[in-house]
Amino acid sequence: SQQGEEDPQALSIQEGENATMNCSYKTSINNLQWYRQNSGRGLVHLILIRSNEREKHSGRLRVTLDTSKKSSSLLITASRAADTASYFCATDEKRGSTLGRLYFGRGTQLTVWP
Amino acid sequence: DTAVSQTPKYLVTQMGNDKSIKCEQNLGHDTMYWYKQDSKKFLKIMFSYNNKELIINETVPNRFSPKSPDKAHLNLHINSLELGDSAVYFCASSPGWGEEKLFFGSGTQLSVL
Repeated sequence: SQQGEEDPQALSIQEGENATMNCSYKTSINNLQWYRQNSGRGLVHLILIRSNEREKHSGRLRVTLDTSKKSSSLLITASRAADTASYFCATDEKRGSTLGRLYFGRGTQLTVWP
Repeated sequence: DTAVSQTPKYLVTQMGNDKSIKCEQNLGHDTMYWYKQDSKKFLKIMFSYNNKELIINETVPNRFSPKSPDKAHLNLHINSLELGDSAVYFCASSPGWGEEKLFFGSGTQLSVL
C-alpha cells in the first residue's frame, strides 16, 4: 500500500542550522502534506504541496516535490530548539476508491540543541 | 478553545475489558477520522465518517466500532481489548470529504495489561 517513508529516522542539529528531511512514496498522488508532532501531542498540519507544484514556502519551511522520483523534502531554515518534534509526510493516492485516505510514514525525529 | 478534543488522554485497562474513547470537534467540519499510531510511530487510518455516514472502514477487527451521533462527534468503542490494541489513538477532522488538511486531537494513550 501507499505509505510515505521519511528519511532520516532521526536528525540532531544545533540551533541556527538548517534541517532537511526527505520523504519517498510509491504511487501517483494528488498532493503531499507535511505534519509536525510534538511529544505527547497530536499532529499539526504544516504545508500541502500539490502534484503539479514543485516548490512551496511557508515562513522558515520550504517543501519540494519531485513526482518523477516520487520524493519530497522539507527544509527548516535557521532551526530553533522549539522545532524539536517528529515530522511526518502524508500522501493520498490518485485513485477514487481511496479518496480521503492519507498515508503517513513513521516520521523523522528532529532534535535541535540550544 | 480546543478544536478537536478527545477523552480520556490516558486509558489503562485489563485484557478482555470494553472501553470507549470520545471525540468532539468544534470546527464545524463535516468529516471525522480515527487513526491509530503504534509504538514505532506508524500512523494508520481506521475509520472515517462524513456527515455521520461511515465512509472508510479499513481492515480493523470487528471489536472496534465507531459511532457518530452527530457530525461534531465520533466515538470509538473497543470490545474485548487485547494486548495488541495498545497504541495511541487519534481523532481528526477535515472541513469536508476529500478536503485534505486534517486537524488532529491530542491523542488517547491506550495501554492494555
